[in-house]
Amino acid sequence: NAGVTQTPKFQVLKTGQSMTLQCAQDMNHNSMYWYRQDPGMGLRLIYYSASEGTTDKGEVPNGYNVSRLNKREFSLRLESAAPSQTSVYFCAGFSNLMSYGYTFGSGTRLTVV
Amino acid sequence: AQSVSQHNHHVILSEAASLELGCNYSYGGTVNLFWYVQYPGQHLQLLLKYFSGDPLVKGIKGFEAEFIKSKFSFNLRKPSVQWSDTAEYFCAGGYSGNTPLVFGKGTRLSVIA
Repeated sequence: NAGVTQTPKFQVLKTGQSMTLQCAQDMNHNSMYWYRQDPGMGLRLIYYSASEGTTDKGEVPNGYNVSRLNKREFSLRLESAAPSQTSVYFCAGFSNLMSYGYTFGSGTRLTVV
Repeated sequence: AQSVSQHNHHVILSEAASLELGCNYSYGGTVNLFWYVQYPGQHLQLLLKYFSGDPLVKGIKGFEAEFIKSKFSFNLRKPSVQWSDTAEYFCAGGYSGNTPLVFGKGTRLSVIA
């Protein structure tokens, strides 16, 4: 039981390059989330998906797109990376069943140069 | 808009000292509150959560938090900290169901021998 798995763990991009951060969960979460973590800023919500087939913007969506491919997978895409997107990205899933709460992935540390 | 505030950015304590980290929220109605811990280089892990009932919530590793509705507060406490408690602590709040959590900016705790 892997929980919430993010790939890659580390990535360096050049300004203007694109990439997709992958997130997959095997906990039957209906809802999934992408947050970014920056020093002194806490975690800020980028996008979320309340259920398969739906996505909504969070607090800081500019420069990002998401896809909820199926119930298990929720990917985050940077179409044209900018240095301001240097951050640690966390995917999370939510369950309202017995464990009620969020489960976080281990994070992707992205540097844009 | 809903918000969560953490008053202390960095707290330094000696081992065996008592800990209290402040958290205030600005939600109306029924709110779910959480405390997460992030050890260096790791992802967020749930310490404890409050939904309803007894306002004193006990979590893992000897942590507890008290929900005081009149003060809109959910402070985290531990009677005696250990060096291994060195980490960053995040308070988070959300409404019932799968609405996204809003995180505070975090408090870094350093425990020295």
